[in-house]
Amino acid sequence: AQKVTQVQTEISVVEKEDVTLDCVYETRDTTYYLFWYKQPPSGELVFLIRRNSFDEQNEISGRYSWNFQKSTSSFNFTITASQVVDSAVYFCALNDYKLSFGAGTTVTVRA
Amino acid sequence: GAVVSQHPSWVICKSGTSVKIECRSLDFQATTMFWYRQFPKQSLMLMATSNEGSKATYEQGVEKDKFLINHASLTLSTLTVTSAHPEDSSFYICSAVLGSFKGGYTFGSGTRLTVV
Repeated sequence: AQKVTQVQTEISVVEKEDVTLDCVYETRDTTYYLFWYKQPPSGELVFLIRRNSFDEQNEISGRYSWNFQKSTSSFNFTITASQVVDSAVYFCALNDYKLSFGAGTTVTVRA
Repeated sequence: GAVVSQHPSWVICKSGTSVKIECRSLDFQATTMFWYRQFPKQSLMLMATSNEGSKATYEQGVEKDKFLINHASLTLSTLTVTSAHPEDSSFYICSAVLGSFKGGYTFGSGTRLTVV
C-alpha cells in the first residue's frame, strides 16, 4: 500500500492564480514527520517545510502555506499568487521509520 | 546549515564500466546516509541505507552486488555502480541525517548518470 498519495499528478495555472497540492499519508506510527520538497528542472531537492505529528499548527511563509490535518491524514500545500519560477515538481514525504516520497505533482505556471 | 555535497553532478560512462558517486557531509557527522534513485518523471525510491562502519541495508529489489555502498567515515558515503548498463541511467541522490533521525534530512544535489 502506498504510504504517501499525492492527489494531483499535474497542475497547470496562469500566473497569479493560487495552487493547492493535496497529500494524504498512511502510517501506524504516532511519531512521524511530514515534508514538502520542490524539485526544479535542475534536479536538486529544495526543502520547503517539515512538520512533526504533534504539531498541527498551520503555517504561512510568504506565498506558501500548509494545512496539516491529522484527523484526515492530510498535509496540503498552497502557493498563493503563483509565479513562473514556481514551476517544478513538488513532493510530499513521510518519515515514520524511513522516508517515503509521494509520486510528485508537476506544477506548471504559465505567464 | 547542514550541507551535503554530492559529486559528480553528472557522468557519462560506457556500458560495462563502473562509476563511483560520492556523498559528503561537509559540516556535520552523519552516521547514516541514504541513497535514492529517480527515473525520469518518477518519484525518488530509496535504494539503501548506509551506516558508518557497517554493511549497508538494501531495499527489496536492489542488487547489492551491482550497487556497492561504502560508508567508511562519518562524513563520506560512496555508491559504486558496477558493470553499468543503459538501464542504470538515472538520477541518484544521497541524503544524510542530521540530529533527530526522523526530522533531519539533508539532500545532496544529485548525480545524473548516463550509460551509453
